[in-house]
Amino acid sequence: KQEVTQIPAALSVPEGENLVLNCSFTDSAIYNLQWFRQDPGKGLTSLLLIQSSQREQTSGRLNASLDKSSGRSTLYIAASQPGDSATYLCAVPVVDSSYKLIFGSGTRLLVRP
Amino acid sequence: NAGVTQTPKFQVLKTGQSMTLQCAQDMNHEYMSWYRQDPGMGLRLIHYSVGAGITDQGEVPNGYNVSRSTTEDFPLRLLSAAPSQTSVYFCASSPRTGQVGELFFGEGSRLTVL
Repeated sequence: KQEVTQIPAALSVPEGENLVLNCSFTDSAIYNLQWFRQDPGKGLTSLLLIQSSQREQTSGRLNASLDKSSGRSTLYIAASQPGDSATYLCAVPVVDSSYKLIFGSGTRLLVRP
Repeated sequence: NAGVTQTPKFQVLKTGQSMTLQCAQDMNHEYMSWYRQDPGMGLRLIHYSVGAGITDQGEVPNGYNVSRSTTEDFPLRLLSAAPSQTSVYFCASSPRTGQVGELFFGEGSRLTVL
């Protein structure tokens, strides 16, 4: 059974710091991995989608990497800003279906001015 | 450009009442899904659909019904509400490409069952 873990659960950093969020999954036979951002009281916004054949994806100050063999993905945020404060979640498809996603519990990020 | 629209945003029900959460998307996405988000439990898949007339169960389907008569709409029905169904419900859609691609979420429907 696929399980997704995100560590740490919460993170507080000063503005300008580069940071890494971690996502681990137990079964490496995944089609893709997706990172999301959720602001309080809002829905999720997809940030990056990495296909199983890719090792990383970049969007602006965000870079996501994928290492299937070790069951890990990282989301790198460069030069963090207070506007980056949100909860970040990762999700992967379950083992027996590419249409069912399993989400991690998320990392709650606070960037202090 | 509306994206994924959920109604209502807030609802209070009494135990045993029924209701329907509405979800509509204007992106012509074949894949649609419903999740519930609970503190400490994260997001869990309730039901999903890969096209009109096709639905399937997710991780926590009991107590919920869905149908997909059009590409645009994917309503979620609570047949007899229970306090355990108090949660925030999210609808999400994606272009179908043999797997779930980029997911687009609605703003959520916050349901309280007394």
